Amino acid sequence: GAVVSQHPSRVICKSGTSVKIECRSLDFQATTMFWYRQFPKQSLMLMATSNEGSKATYEQGVEKDKFLINHASLTLSTLTVTSAHPEDSSFYICSARGQRGADTQYFGPGTRLTVL
Amino acid sequence: DAKTTQPTSMDCAEGRAANLPCNHSTISGNEYVYWYRQIHSQGPQYIIHGLKNNETNEMASLIITEDRKSSTLILPHATLRDTAVYYCIVRVWNTGNQFYFGTGTSLTVIP
Repeated sequence: GAVVSQHPSRVICKSGTSVKIECRSLDFQATTMFWYRQFPKQSLMLMATSNEGSKATYEQGVEKDKFLINHASLTLSTLTVTSAHPEDSSFYICSARGQRGADTQYFGPGTRLTVL
Repeated sequence: DAKTTQPTSMDCAEGRAANLPCNHSTISGNEYVYWYRQIHSQGPQYIIHGLKNNETNEMASLIITEDRKSSTLILPHATLRDTAVYYCIVRVWNTGNQFYFGTGTSLTVIP
């Protein structure tokens, strides 16, 4: 199957700093990427949908100015958590969808963010 | 997208078949059934999907009832590495839309 990577896999930062998480599709071009957040013992919650070259669409309740998403190429999307606070500590997962006709989404391994 | 209902947890003996049910009674004609699983602290992994015919791949089999209101994911010979949360998702094919995850079934394979 297709491979999606995330970097970093784990990050610890101080409150008030910004953290950037990268999501890459390694062997296919991803027209659409999705960002999810998962708190302990809970299911994945979709944060936003990102299409290459256009602005991301955020789910209700997700602050677009706090979670900046950039999808500048067909293989890379970034999520920046700005002015992170302890309540932003979570497991962030991206997924990528291929071009037309390839509807299955492939997920990255996730990034564990801990804000002190 | 239609809502799905799954049991919260299940156990299965190692080497036996694991049968994971999913109810999707409000599924519409153009919605597919997808199965993903998530091993602890990893991203979800695609398993299989189908519309109305039974499907099989190297990982699992998917049995969809004739009325399409429910389905069963079958892991033919469960191993300890199959311990994970299994998600059943119903969604229209190729809309480019996101997957909405429910709470899934936590499968524990017992030695």
